[in-house]
Amino acid sequence: GAGVSQTPSNKVTEKGKYVELRCDPISGHTALYWYRQSLGQGPEFLIYFQGTGAADDSGLPNDRFFAVRPEGSVSTLKIQRTERGDSAVYLCASRVENTGELFFGEGSRLTVL
Amino acid sequence: AQSVTQLDSQVPVFEEAPVELRCNYSSSVSVYLFWYVQYPNQGLQLLLKYLSGSTLVKGINGFEAEFNKSQTSFHLRKPSVHISDTAEYFCASLTGTASKLTFGTGTRLQVTL
Repeated sequence: GAGVSQTPSNKVTEKGKYVELRCDPISGHTALYWYRQSLGQGPEFLIYFQGTGAADDSGLPNDRFFAVRPEGSVSTLKIQRTERGDSAVYLCASRVENTGELFFGEGSRLTVL
Repeated sequence: AQSVTQLDSQVPVFEEAPVELRCNYSSSVSVYLFWYVQYPNQGLQLLLKYLSGSTLVKGINGFEAEFNKSQTSFHLRKPSVHISDTAEYFCASLTGTASKLTFGTGTRLQVTL
């Protein structure tokens, strides 16, 4: 597709479970970002990849959160031992390096019961 | 550290009236500024961006914004709004030394007849 694709669009899980959220960026975009948007808030930065490596992971809230991008394209955000406070919409975005404009996917809504 | 402030959490306005959504940023270095719109249950869509050059930036759907360095502002305006403009609007900044967008908390524009 032409845009950033995120799956699943909705995920409901129980407290303590493991969750993976997938992002397929726009073809050719070298930079990939993960953001988290809680209800009534603006998106908060989690992690940024340049190619395969995490260039900035300062936004990851704790060590239960981890993200990978092994081949420099698709990325997976992994959340271990989920907590109710992890409930949010997780947004992925990509951009061509140095243009500044981020293109966002529609997000994955995570609900932890 | 860069930050973005959107003072108005909600702005109610009648259809065909003008609107201004306020955004102030803090940065001691060169900054790029963006406005994104988020319609219900959709991803973020870029409205307009300021990278350099003319301080008056025109975007999609009749929106425009003016970069004011002395007041560190980047307010979004539209001379006549439509019902379909009802959405959440986010201001964001990107400094020359960082690679991640920092978002404001958003302003909900509610257009009524």
